[in-house]
Amino acid sequence: GNSVTQMEGPVTLSEEAFLTINCTYTATGYPSLFWYVQYPGEGLQLLLKATKADDKGSNKGFEATYRKETTSFHLEKGSVQVSDSAVYFCALSDPNSNSGYALNFGKGTSLLVTP
Amino acid sequence: DAGVIQSPRHEVTEMGQEVTLRCKPISGHNSLFWYRQTMMRGLELLIYFNNNVPIDDSGMPEDRFSAKMPNASFSTLKIQPSEPRDSAVYFCASGLTGGYTGELFFGEGSRLTVL
Repeated sequence: GNSVTQMEGPVTLSEEAFLTINCTYTATGYPSLFWYVQYPGEGLQLLLKATKADDKGSNKGFEATYRKETTSFHLEKGSVQVSDSAVYFCALSDPNSNSGYALNFGKGTSLLVTP
Repeated sequence: DAGVIQSPRHEVTEMGQEVTLRCKPISGHNSLFWYRQTMMRGLELLIYFNNNVPIDDSGMPEDRFSAKMPNASFSTLKIQPSEPRDSAVYFCASGLTGGYTGELFFGEGSRLTVL
């Protein structure tokens, strides 16, 4: 079945550091890939997405490229801010699979950015 | 526009009691999902509905859990009887499957504590 694996956290960075959170996936079809962010005490919010191979999703300085050859969708940001502290989830969906439109999430990576 | 609305935000109950969690999806969305979040297991899909019909309930832990969607604007997740291991944050999410973009919109969650 479909699954997502992302790097374990927590990740602690100083403000303005470069961020990479690794995400790889297993899928039988051609999934769409997502990054969601969860701030403390809140629900998940879509950060960015890519729907086909080689697409790049971007938002708020974050980027991720859909790499079919390496089955990866790594999240990057060139210069993190304290306000980026949150939990980041990689996810996929494949409407043609048994799970349909449901999102299949990784375990989440906690990011703490210090001043 | 109102987002996904969940109630209650917090629930503390004793083992053996019945718990009912409620969700109002975004107007116009035709799919609704219930997820459970715990530290140990991350985000797990419990059940999802498309056009008010349950499509996949394979994630429902056991017969103590049940979910209904009597109309397009309301869903419930019921646990009866509740057990301490049911303690978690329960999220409801909604989306639009026609013109598929894959994005799901999450509520703020219902934090359940079973003593």
